[in-house]
Order: sequence, then C-alpha cells, then structure tokens
Amino acid sequence: DQQVKQNSPSLSVQEGRISILNCDYTNSMFDYFLWYKKYPAEGPTFLISISSIKDKNEDGRFTVFLNKSAKHLSLHIVPSQPGDSAVYFCAAIENYGGSQGNLIFGKGTKLSVKP
Amino acid sequence: DADVTQTPRNRITKTGKRIMLECSQTKGHDRMYWYRQDPGLGLRLIYYSFDVKDINKGEISDGYSVSRQAQAKFSLSLESAIPNQTALYFCATSDSNQRGYQETQYFGPGTRLLVL
Repeated sequence: DQQVKQNSPSLSVQEGRISILNCDYTNSMFDYFLWYKKYPAEGPTFLISISSIKDKNEDGRFTVFLNKSAKHLSLHIVPSQPGDSAVYFCAAIENYGGSQGNLIFGKGTKLSVKP
Repeated sequence: DADVTQTPRNRITKTGKRIMLECSQTKGHDRMYWYRQDPGLGLRLIYYSFDVKDINKGEISDGYSVSRQAQAKFSLSLESAIPNQTALYFCATSDSNQRGYQETQYFGPGTRLLVL
C-alpha cells in the first residue's frame, strides 16, 4: 500500500498563476517531507523540505505547507514560470528514534506551465 | 563536472544477460542509494549503503545485487536480466554528517535500461 500519494498525475497552469501540487501520506511516523523536481533526462533535484514541527516553509517562489492532522502537504509555486515545467515528487522520511529512515517517494505529478 | 555520475546512460540488453550499472560520486558523501523509476510508479529503493561495509536491501531488491567498491563507487548488478527490469535507474548520495538527521539526497542523471 502506498504510504505517499500524489493523486494528480498531471497539472497544467498558465504562466504567472499559482501552481499547487498536493501530496497525502498515511504513515503518522513520517516526520520530514521533501519535494524533488525532475526534468526529462536528468535525475531528481532537491527543491524544498519541511519538518513536521513546522506547518510552512518558504523559499523564494516555492512554499510548502504541512497539515499533520490531515496528513497532507502541498507545494505552492507563485508565480509559475515555463521553466517550472517538470515532474515533482513528494517524499517522506520516517524517524526511527533519531535514526533516519529511507526516503519514500510518491508517484510524481507532471506540471506544465503554459506561456 | 557532475557530482554524481552514472554509466552507462543508456543500455539495451537481452534477457538472461548480466549487466552492471555504475555510479561514482565526488561529493564525499558516505551514503549511496540505487532507485528505479517506472512510469506511474515513482522512485522505488533497490539497495542502499551507509558506508563501504554496510549494504542494505530496499523495497525491491529481488533480482539485483550491489557492490560498494569504495566510498565513492556503488554499482548495481542484474545477474540475469529480465524484461520487467526495463526501467530508469538512479543512483543517489547523501551525507550523514549534514546538520540534523534529515539528509538531502543528490541524484545522478539516470541510466535508461531496456531488457529485450
């Protein structure tokens, strides 16, 4: 059973508007969440992360929101740019009493930003 | 120069053949990982290594083996390739000495493998 779910395989947004990518998780022991971005023919690159002790982390145009009670996080990109077109993976880590577990990835959401 | 390199970038092989995918890193990280990506399935962990003498199975290790030849090198082998191992394979590294325990993983460019 998938522990990290990205239920939207694709998203299309107009340039300049907000892109919102969603991610749900089932494991309440996850305590750190990351977003990776992947362009075709390249490996995923780290984008932004958030610890479970926070509900928001912002880095430039990218903001990640975490709702622990709903086991839901989202990535907001404002304003969206054509260069943001990529596949975005949500990932989570479980903390084993101070030892880091492995990254568990969602299936990804393909974002297309149209000029 | 890329910090994490993978060779080959593309490979076509036949069922039953042995194949090795190699990964090298210049980041000085102690931890290395192998993932595969299939369409619609995201990234799944095959094997990981926390140091040269530490090898661990991931979610989907069956049909694969690995070797950590040095801190900077981690290779993935398919002893007898089968068509459902056709996928995109990624190597990744992380640094356990990074502040805090949340380690960012850095990925290589990927190896596209086709098993006929």
